[in-house]
Amino acid sequence: DSGVTQTPKHLITATGQRVTLRCSPRSGDLSVYWYQQSLDQGLQFLIHYYNGEERAKGNILERFSAQQFPDLHSELNLSSLELGDSALYFCASSVEGGDHSPLHFGNGTRLTVT
Amino acid sequence: AQSVTQLGSHVSVSEGALVLLRCNYSSSVPPYLFWYVQYPNQGLQLLLKYTSAATLVKGINGFEAEFKKSETSFHLTKPSAHMSDAAEYFCAVSLMDSSYKLIFGSGTRLLVRP
Repeated sequence: DSGVTQTPKHLITATGQRVTLRCSPRSGDLSVYWYQQSLDQGLQFLIHYYNGEERAKGNILERFSAQQFPDLHSELNLSSLELGDSALYFCASSVEGGDHSPLHFGNGTRLTVT
Repeated sequence: AQSVTQLGSHVSVSEGALVLLRCNYSSSVPPYLFWYVQYPNQGLQLLLKYTSAATLVKGINGFEAEFKKSETSFHLTKPSAHMSDAAEYFCAVSLMDSSYKLIFGSGTRLLVRP
């Protein structure tokens, strides 16, 4: 058990809809990272938050947004969903003490867009 | 730009045989390199991390990796494969910027034959 909790585990929705994925980091971790894993694109970095502030953006679509709340949990919002958004979405957390601490991953949310 | 390349999307070995999974990195500065493992329907789990303290890094489950600067490689090995090692393995590099996000290789699926 990594200590990172993601909900829900599975999500099935229709094209055009909006969903919210939730992540609770390990206790004490200030950084939250979101990744998308798909068969054709592999593991793609989406966005990184540190203590409530956006630190880095990767290949994140404009239809997607995220935030990290004062209690350090994070949410990834996906809107105007398309079939191609079907993927596994992972959240990871780290202490980030400046020493390239390893990321600890949750078990992911599997999103299916029909 | 820093990146990693994993050679071989699938590797098949017999139980008890040597496991060798290849990873080459591209970096203009000494990189921070990681190997992660992903079992079916689970998140990624850290196997080991290279931080320049030692070129031979020992990880969990009997895996180790050797950093070779002259070959820009960080291959993962295990002397004797076990059926439980069947999983997908990812090499990753931590970028030297304001974010400690990981950039992952495309992954190698390890199959272990009885």
